[in-house]
Amino acid sequence: AQSVSQHNHHVILSEAASLELGCNYSYGGTVNLFWYVQYPGQHLQLLLKYFSGDPLVKGIKGFEAEFIKSKFSFNLRKPSVQWSDTAEYFCAVTQGGGADGLTFGKGTHLIIQP
Amino acid sequence: GAGVSQSPRYKVAKRGQDVALRCDPISGHVSLFWYQQALGQGPEFLTYFQNEAQLDKSGLPSDRFFAERPEGSVSTLKIQRTQQEDSAVYLCASRHLGGEQYFGPGTRLTVT
Repeated sequence: AQSVSQHNHHVILSEAASLELGCNYSYGGTVNLFWYVQYPGQHLQLLLKYFSGDPLVKGIKGFEAEFIKSKFSFNLRKPSVQWSDTAEYFCAVTQGGGADGLTFGKGTHLIIQP
Repeated sequence: GAGVSQSPRYKVAKRGQDVALRCDPISGHVSLFWYQQALGQGPEFLTYFQNEAQLDKSGLPSDRFFAERPEGSVSTLKIQRTQQEDSAVYLCASRHLGGEQYFGPGTRLTVT
């Protein structure tokens, strides 16, 4: 069975700091990778996804993630965070083909201090 | 267009009661998923429908959990004889063909 590990459960940063949230998955086959965000009081929204092709994917609001197959990693990055980035961030994976449900990590609670 | 909607948004049930949670997917979305999110955890997959067919129910934690989507649109997740460990947010998501999953706001179930 596949699993997803997010290394940081709580992260506190100041505005304009750079962000990197770690995500590792365990599955040896083809995978589809996702980062979802949940802003306070809102539902889960897709930030970005990787299915195939360029391993560096760009998402909404200036976020990007890099798929490193040899490290089973899909870390999320943003060069300069804003107060509005305060949210819960979830990494998720499905097996290639996407027929099954998402396997999520436990999430990272990000707080940006103004 | 309208997103995924779920009702009720909040449900309090006494232990042993049955509950039914509803999900209205985005119109035309073939696939529908249910997830359970316990406090402080990521969502966990429960079950998956393609149209009216339930293709995967491997994540349902016990035979007290039952889901249906009889006409390939609206889905209902039913929990019989609720237990305290069933307290969680239940999320529904829908997807068109091979695209991304769109999530609803969830139903927060509290079992007392």
